[in-house]
Amino acid sequence: DSGVTQTPKHLITATGQRVTLRCSPRSGDLSVYWYQQSLDQGLQFLIQYYNGEERAKGNILERFSAQQFPDLHSELNLSSLELGDSALYFCASSTLMGGNTEAFFGQGTRLTVV
Amino acid sequence: DAKTTQPTSMDCAEGRAANLPCNHSTISGNEYVYWYRQIHSQGPQYIIHGLKNNETNEMASLIITEDRKSSTLILPHATLRDTAVYYCIVRVSGGGADGLTFGKGTHLIIQP
Repeated sequence: DSGVTQTPKHLITATGQRVTLRCSPRSGDLSVYWYQQSLDQGLQFLIQYYNGEERAKGNILERFSAQQFPDLHSELNLSSLELGDSALYFCASSTLMGGNTEAFFGQGTRLTVV
Repeated sequence: DAKTTQPTSMDCAEGRAANLPCNHSTISGNEYVYWYRQIHSQGPQYIIHGLKNNETNEMASLIITEDRKSSTLILPHATLRDTAVYYCIVRVSGGGADGLTFGKGTHLIIQP
């Protein structure tokens, strides 16, 4: 158990819909990362928050957004869903913002868009 | 972050040491070498990291060559549960604010 909790574990929704994925980081971790893993793309970094502020963006679509709340949990919002958004979405957390620290991953949310 | 090159797949017999190589010939002085693994669709799991000295923890050992252009992850006594995709990642320490960049990794298969 990494200490990172993601809900829900599975989500099935229709194209055009909007969903929210939730992540609770490990106790004390200020940095939260979101990743997408699809069959053909591997693990792709989407976005990072540190202590409530956005710190880095990766390959995140404009239809996707995220935020980190004062209690440090984070939500990833996916809107106007397309079939290609079907993937595993992982959240990770770490103590610091930069390198020389390991990241701990949750078990992911499997999103299926039909 | 520097690019890494890993074999696509490897086999290892159960109980033997599994040695997973990684080339990172463009690594710069402030970049660390990290290893993660992912067991079938689970979240990636941190294994070990190092800068230039060899490192060991309860999971594995990391051997980094003196010129730092390559490294080897060693699982001393592989078990079937070690079957996973292993990712070698190099990243900047300190001010790096972006996430980890995962490549294709090495699919390690432990044979009974």
